Amino acid sequence: AQRVTQPEKLLSVFKGAPVELKCNYSYSGSPELFWYVQYSRQRLQLLLRHISRESIKGFTADLNKGETSFHLKKPFAQEEDSAMYYCALRFNSGGSNYKLTFGKGTLLTVNP
Amino acid sequence: DVKVTQSSRYLVKRTGEKVFLECVQDMDHENMFWYRQDPGLGLRLIYFSYDVKMKEKGDIPEGYSVSREKKERFSLILESASTNQTSMYLCASSLGPGTDTQYFGPGTRLTVL
Repeated sequence: AQRVTQPEKLLSVFKGAPVELKCNYSYSGSPELFWYVQYSRQRLQLLLRHISRESIKGFTADLNKGETSFHLKKPFAQEEDSAMYYCALRFNSGGSNYKLTFGKGTLLTVNP
Repeated sequence: DVKVTQSSRYLVKRTGEKVFLECVQDMDHENMFWYRQDPGLGLRLIYFSYDVKMKEKGDIPEGYSVSREKKERFSLILESASTNQTSMYLCASSLGPGTDTQYFGPGTRLTVL
């Protein structure tokens, strides 16, 4: 069965410090991974997807199949990065249909 | 711009009441989802639908049912609300088969007394 693990419930860093939010997955198929973010009083939204290999708001994430990880990184954290971050795994649920399974989330606080 | 709306931001109900949570999307998306979001548990899928009148159980369907009579609307029903169903409920939609981005509504915080 597929599973996403985010080992840290809470992560606190100072402004300007590097930040890494950890995500590990378990899936027998070919993984597709995403990071979703929820800022205070805003709706959950997609931050980035591994297949795009993009950098969004200074964040990057590399899929490491050997370590089954998809950690989210930013070299210099900003206060506006404070939010709840969810790692998600997309998997085939039958036919051409897909679902997401989410990790439990990491609450990032960036202190001034 | 994709818009997913939910009928209520806050709802307070009593144990045993029948509760309807409504979700509407305006982008002709085929897929719609209902999640509940709880601190320390993340998002858990309750039900999803890939087409009108079609539904499939997610990871925690017990105590819930759904209805999708029109493409744009996906309703979550609590037949007999219980206190352990107090939670934040999120609706999401995505374009169609194989698409990855899910667009979320603002959420409904349901309290069952």
